Amino acid sequence: DAEITQSPRHKITETGRQVTLACHQTWNHNNMFWYRQDLGHGLRLIHYSYGVQDTNKGEVSDGYSVSRSNTEDLPLTLESAASSQTSVYFCASSESSGRVEQYFGPGTRLTVT
Amino acid sequence: AQSVTQLGSHVSVSEGALVLLRCNYSSSVPPYLFWYVQYPNQGLQLLLKYTSAATLVKGINGFEAEFKKSETSFHLTKPSAHMSDAAEYFCAVSDRSSTLTFGKGTMLLVSP
Repeated sequence: DAEITQSPRHKITETGRQVTLACHQTWNHNNMFWYRQDLGHGLRLIHYSYGVQDTNKGEVSDGYSVSRSNTEDLPLTLESAASSQTSVYFCASSESSGRVEQYFGPGTRLTVT
Repeated sequence: AQSVTQLGSHVSVSEGALVLLRCNYSSSVPPYLFWYVQYPNQGLQLLLKYTSAATLVKGINGFEAEFKKSETSFHLTKPSAHMSDAAEYFCAVSDRSSTLTFGKGTMLLVSP
């Protein structure tokens, strides 16, 4: 069955370190998205991609970057982790045909100390 | 710009009672609307979606939602709550693009 996976599921890191969260999907979807989930804020869009070599900034992109070198993967990098980036991160993917539903991964809980 | 407002961060019902979770949206174009459910320590799962066809949309697990353009609403209902319905529910809107804007979520608590 097609799926979307994230790794690691939990990570603790120190302030100032670079961190990369992995997202891999086997749906063969062109669209991929990264969100962060915080209490009282719901899900907020960080970055998204409509295909290989395409990346776009979302609502809360400061301090984050992504790159898309193939269809299956969209890694999220925190260049210099800050305590404000402690959150649960979700990756999602969707077909490229317009406004369709997104399929979500299980999430990564990141703690920045 | 699009936005979603979910009234009530927490809703409590008794098992067997009606579930009503409220969602109001703002969109500059005819919207597509979605309800997702999140169980503890899991990702989001699609419950149902409205894509400009029938205004009453049926989803999984006995949930349904009605699109009301005049009220800019897309409330989620279920006639009889089960203990297994306890989860967080998110309403989301999509305008012209493939991106979604989510509400802040409503936690549904079901008591025996």
